[in-house]
Amino acid sequence: NAGVTQTPKFRVLKTGQSMTLLCAQDMNHEYMYWYRQDPGMGLRLIHYSVGEGTTAKGEVPDGYNVSRLKKQNFLLGLESAAPSQTSVYFCASSPGLAGYEQYFGPGTRLTVT
Amino acid sequence: GQQVMQIPQYQHVQEGEDFTTYCNSSTTLSNIQWYKQRPGGHPVFLIQLVKSGEVKKQKRLTFQFGEAKKNSSLHITATQTTDVGTYFCSPSYGKLTFGQGTILTVHP
Repeated sequence: NAGVTQTPKFRVLKTGQSMTLLCAQDMNHEYMYWYRQDPGMGLRLIHYSVGEGTTAKGEVPDGYNVSRLKKQNFLLGLESAAPSQTSVYFCASSPGLAGYEQYFGPGTRLTVT
Repeated sequence: GQQVMQIPQYQHVQEGEDFTTYCNSSTTLSNIQWYKQRPGGHPVFLIQLVKSGEVKKQKRLTFQFGEAKKNSSLHITATQTTDVGTYFCSPSYGKLTFGQGTILTVHP
């Protein structure tokens, strides 16, 4: 039982490049989330999903797209990376929305130069 | 934007001293969760408070939920070096948010 896994762990992009971050969970959770963490800003929700095939915008969705084609996977895409997207990205999952424990992945450290 | 304020942003203590972080909301909360993130790690769930005035303890950690369900605190008694990290509150009021976090350093 691996919980929540994220790939890659580290990535360096040049401005304008694209990439996809992969999150996988093996707990059969309906809900999945993508957060970004910046110094002094806490965790900010980018997008989330309440089930396979559904996604919704969070607090800071601009510049990101997501897809949930399979229940266990949640993908975060950056179509044209910008230096402002340099951050640590965490994926999380939970069995319900508000009021349920969130299980976090180990994070992806992304640098955009 | 965020409607929750977590204070202080930083706290440096000597090992053995107590530590408290506060989470204050402008709106009434359904519940509140607390998470801990070790340096270089990911957030890990500590506890959830649901009832007005609720107090829960986990060894040296005491969590409180205010009577009006608009604020909460986490108190650590006699800190140890293993307590270092960032403590986040995550209040629930129909949307997902996290406080800015309190970074705790403990000097041995």
